[in-house]
Amino acid sequence: DAGVIQSPRHEVTEMGQEVTLRCKPISGHDYLFWYRQTMMRGLELLIYFNNNVPIDDSGMPEDRFSAKMPNASFSTLKIQPSEPRDSAVYFCASRYARGQYMNTEAFFGQGTRLTVV
Amino acid sequence: SQQGEEDPQALSIQEGENATMNCSYKTSINNLQWYRQNSGRGLVHLILIRSNEREKHSGRLRVTLDTSKKSSSLLITASRAADTASYFCATDTGGSYIPTFGRGTSLIVHP
Repeated sequence: DAGVIQSPRHEVTEMGQEVTLRCKPISGHDYLFWYRQTMMRGLELLIYFNNNVPIDDSGMPEDRFSAKMPNASFSTLKIQPSEPRDSAVYFCASRYARGQYMNTEAFFGQGTRLTVV
Repeated sequence: SQQGEEDPQALSIQEGENATMNCSYKTSINNLQWYRQNSGRGLVHLILIRSNEREKHSGRLRVTLDTSKKSSSLLITASRAADTASYFCATDTGGSYIPTFGRGTSLIVHP
């Protein structure tokens, strides 16, 4: 497997524009996480899915942020409209955790560096 | 709020020396994980230690867990310049098994 794949790797956009970040998790993994990393706040969990269902989105900062997982192999994180303070590195991670295999590691993508000017 | 907090925030050593990083957390855990992040890259999993384990080894890495003190340490022996990276601990708590990360320790190994 190629690991967790995120696109794009870098995104520069103007304030007010819509931004869509994409993630392909590892095949067979049933958890998918979206994290945001900044110098000020470190790594923050934004939302996570279990079996394509959003379980906890309490980390999503505002209604401008939304995430979907239409199927087991694809997820998107959308920011509309984007603001300069959204500038950060956004990571997607996936994990297999089920039954007796709950103590497992998460696998991270390379991240998307978002700059909103 | 972040569950795990690493200490020190930054560590600078010479190649060949040992590097020790600590992680403290607040609530009971299912497991604790250590990850490495090279500059501009994603996080890479190093070691997972379960709450009923006290020590694990992987190559030059040694992780200990003291649940009574709610703390863990990561020891890198005989460090190399290539070990230069940020190291994060993450804890899984409760029934959700969702990793929550600390702010990390930035390690610089001078050749």
